[in-house]
Amino acid sequence: QSALTQPASVSGSPGQSITISCTGTSSDVGGYNYVSWYQQHPGKVPQLMIHEVSNRPSGVPDRFSGSKSGNTASLTISGLQAEDEADYFCCSYATGSSYVFGTVTKVTVL
Amino acid sequence: QVQLVESGGGVVQPGGSLRLSCAASGFTFNNHAIHWVRQAPGKGLEWVAVISNDGNVKYYADSVKGRFTISRDNSKNTLSLQMNSLRGEDTAVYSCVREAILVVGVATYYFDYWGQGTLVTVSS
Repeated sequence: QSALTQPASVSGSPGQSITISCTGTSSDVGGYNYVSWYQQHPGKVPQLMIHEVSNRPSGVPDRFSGSKSGNTASLTISGLQAEDEADYFCCSYATGSSYVFGTVTKVTVL
Repeated sequence: QVQLVESGGGVVQPGGSLRLSCAASGFTFNNHAIHWVRQAPGKGLEWVAVISNDGNVKYYADSVKGRFTISRDNSKNTLSLQMNSLRGEDTAVYSCVREAILVVGVATYYFDYWGQGTLVTVSS
């Protein structure tokens, strides 16, 4: 399985909206609604932000949202805040009872 | 609180073996499937293996199939990864990761808690 493709970096000013894409194939992102998104601050373990494409766990701010179209999933952060500066990566269930991760996007709040 | 603490990492020669452990606490261990995920230096995350909550179902990444074995002891709240025939490309930080549950025994396909990881270095 090849890694899912994410942009290396995305930036925005406080209050703006940004979107991180996660592109795979019909064997992973496009074939299943099991895409999840994680946030990771330096030196910390990843935190779940979105599961099953668009579901937000309790405790995650509603400015985080997820969607999917074809083989590409997206994470949108609306109303960007300073504490959103972190690494983000996606993960998808894939054919063969396996999982594949995205290539990590560094979000910078200008 | 939920804790996943890995141990057993170290330096091993190519072709050698190593056994990793993950000690779980703060939750009902035998309710959750648990995964191993690794990250090589300067590389992205790679899923390695998963074991079901009861230990009866196991899946592996193609890159480790036939060389790695995942197991668990629900009486001791521990997860293990036996790694044989190690290669340089197995060098990575290995983390155990808890799969979320809604109903025991039914997969959710996403992760809600991660350990900090243990470093495995395969080098002569």
